[in-house]
Amino acid sequence: QVHLVQSGAEVKKPGSSVRVSCKASGGPFSNSSIAWVRQAPGQGLEWMGGIIPIFDTPHYAQRFQGRVTIIADEATNTAYMELNTLRSDDTAVYYCAGVRFGDLLRENWFDPWGPGTQVTVSS
Amino acid sequence: DIQMTQSPSSLSASVGDRVTITCRASQSISNFLNWYRKKPGKAPELLIYITSTLQSGVPPRFSGSGSGTNFTLTISSLQPEDFATYFCQQTFSSPLFTFGPGTKVDIK
Repeated sequence: QVHLVQSGAEVKKPGSSVRVSCKASGGPFSNSSIAWVRQAPGQGLEWMGGIIPIFDTPHYAQRFQGRVTIIADEATNTAYMELNTLRSDDTAVYYCAGVRFGDLLRENWFDPWGPGTQVTVSS
Repeated sequence: DIQMTQSPSSLSASVGDRVTITCRASQSISNFLNWYRKKPGKAPELLIYITSTLQSGVPPRFSGSGSGTNFTLTISSLQPEDFATYFCQQTFSSPLFTFGPGTKVDIK
């Protein structure tokens, strides 16, 4: 059974950057499809972006375009999410999740999930 | 962009109650709809995918239905571990995804 292990909590200053890693362990993670989702305090789940190799390039939610970069290193079964120009409202728990596929291209679901990484942005 | 709404935003229920949560899409998403349970301090858990397929290991008290723009998640008999927040997710616009705002289920 594949498990996703994320890097540890981070405390960052406004305007800086954070990089969160997500490593698949317990088995190979086929096709390296990963999504990143965050949950700010008292808020819902927010999809930030992800990599699905069949689409060739990463895709990002519009509100994060230009500020987030997601890459996947298939050699090490590790994905990374980097968020730049941090603001206080970027304080959140950041999750990675595997993207699974059904028979149709749009049949996607997120499983498994990493345990989450707390990122706190504070001066 | 496809917008997702959920109702109610919160509800109070007792153990053993039947609970129904509704999710609506701003346009037809066929059956490309998933449900997740989120407990405080824990990662989300996949419950149901493609509207009605129960994820392996998820108890059969959970069921999903719907198509087009209207979807429901039903918990036939609420258990203590079900007090949590539930989120729907559309994948029609894959590889872009959207979650609903969530429905919090707490103890009456």
